[in-house]
Amino acid sequence: DVKVTQSSRYLVKRTGEKVFLECVQDMDHENMFWYRQDPGLGLRLIYFSYDVKMKEKGDIPEGYSVSREKKERFSLILESASTNQTSMYLCASSLPHFSEAFFGQGTRLTVV
Amino acid sequence: AQSVTQPDIHITVSEGASLELRCNYSYGATPYLFWYVQSPGQGLQLLLKYFSGDTLVQGIKGFEAEFKRSQSSFNLRKPSVHWSDAAEYFCAVGAVGNEKLTFGTGTRLTIIP
Repeated sequence: DVKVTQSSRYLVKRTGEKVFLECVQDMDHENMFWYRQDPGLGLRLIYFSYDVKMKEKGDIPEGYSVSREKKERFSLILESASTNQTSMYLCASSLPHFSEAFFGQGTRLTVV
Repeated sequence: AQSVTQPDIHITVSEGASLELRCNYSYGATPYLFWYVQSPGQGLQLLLKYFSGDTLVQGIKGFEAEFKRSQSSFNLRKPSVHWSDAAEYFCAVGAVGNEKLTFGTGTRLTIIP
């Protein structure tokens, strides 16, 4: 079974903290994605990576950065967490050319 | 830019009844279309996808979807729902030349006995 594993299911952080969300996939997929999911807004793409050390901005990259030093790992970084970044964060991976995207279980981040 | 509209925020259906969830997309060329399901507390799982060819696509769990280019729609159907189908359903569209998926806002499905 393909597995996309997010390091935490629930996280509570303080405003201004630097936050790292980690995602690991075990299927040697080239593509990895970070989405945030908010009620009524669906999933919105934050960042996307199609290879090691390669990244592209998604629709809502402001306040976030990413790191992909190894093919299996894709990290989302909140440089200075703010309350409006309280959300569910979903990581996904896929092979190129619109093959199926596999999602992790999500990390529910609360910034207080 | 590509976009997806799911006009129904919440739908309630009786167990055993038929289901249709609506999805309209906006994209200039032939889109790649997907339906995902998210059960409570879970990540998203792919139900089915359309790339080209036959416009009626079969998926897992007894779901199917029909691509209608003239209506820019990709509606999801199931002839008889089960209580375990209660979940949130997302339609998504992809664009030729880039790997990004654009998701709709989702439709929450409630099943009543």
